[in-house]
Amino acid sequence: AQSVTQPDIHITVSEGASLELRCNYSYGATPYLFWYVQSPGQGLQLLLKYFSGDTLVQGIKGFEAEFKRSQSSFNLRKPSVHWSDAAEYFCAVGAPGGSNYKLTFGKGTLLTVNP
Amino acid sequence: NAGVTQTPKFRVLKTGQSMTLLCAQDMNHEYMYWYRQDPGMGLRLIHYSVGEGTTAKGEVPDGYNVSRLKKQNFLLGLESAAPSQTSVYFCASSSPGQKQYFGPGTRLTVT
Repeated sequence: AQSVTQPDIHITVSEGASLELRCNYSYGATPYLFWYVQSPGQGLQLLLKYFSGDTLVQGIKGFEAEFKRSQSSFNLRKPSVHWSDAAEYFCAVGAPGGSNYKLTFGKGTLLTVNP
Repeated sequence: NAGVTQTPKFRVLKTGQSMTLLCAQDMNHEYMYWYRQDPGMGLRLIHYSVGEGTTAKGEVPDGYNVSRLKKQNFLLGLESAAPSQTSVYFCASSSPGQKQYFGPGTRLTVT
């Protein structure tokens, strides 16, 4: 069974600082990988996804993530955080197989941005 | 194009009461999903559907039933609500092999 671990429950950074959110997954082959963001009281918005190909993936809002097979990781990065990035971030893994996949989510990392 | 909508947005139930949450999507997606989100637990899949008339169990299906009578709608039912079902419920839909689009959520409290 697939699983996702987000080791950091809560991270605080200063506005303008760089950010890296960690995500480790467990799956027997190369999975589909996703990062979603959830602002307070809102639904989930997809930041980026990895299906195959280039292991460095660019997403919306200046985010990027790198798939590292050897480390079973898919860490999310942003070079300069903005106050509006304060939200909860979820990493998710999906099992490829035919045309159907189910997502397994990590427990989330809450990001606080200090002015 | 409204995307994924959920009805109602908020609901308070007493233990033992029943209710149905409605999810609707206007993107002609084949797949639809129901998740629940609890603090510190992330999102967990309750049930999902890969097409009209078909449903399948997810990670935490107990206490819930679903129906997909129309392609655009996916209903989540609680026959006898319990306080443990207090949660935020999210519906999502997708095309095969594509990203999931999420609704805004339904906040359910069971007292």
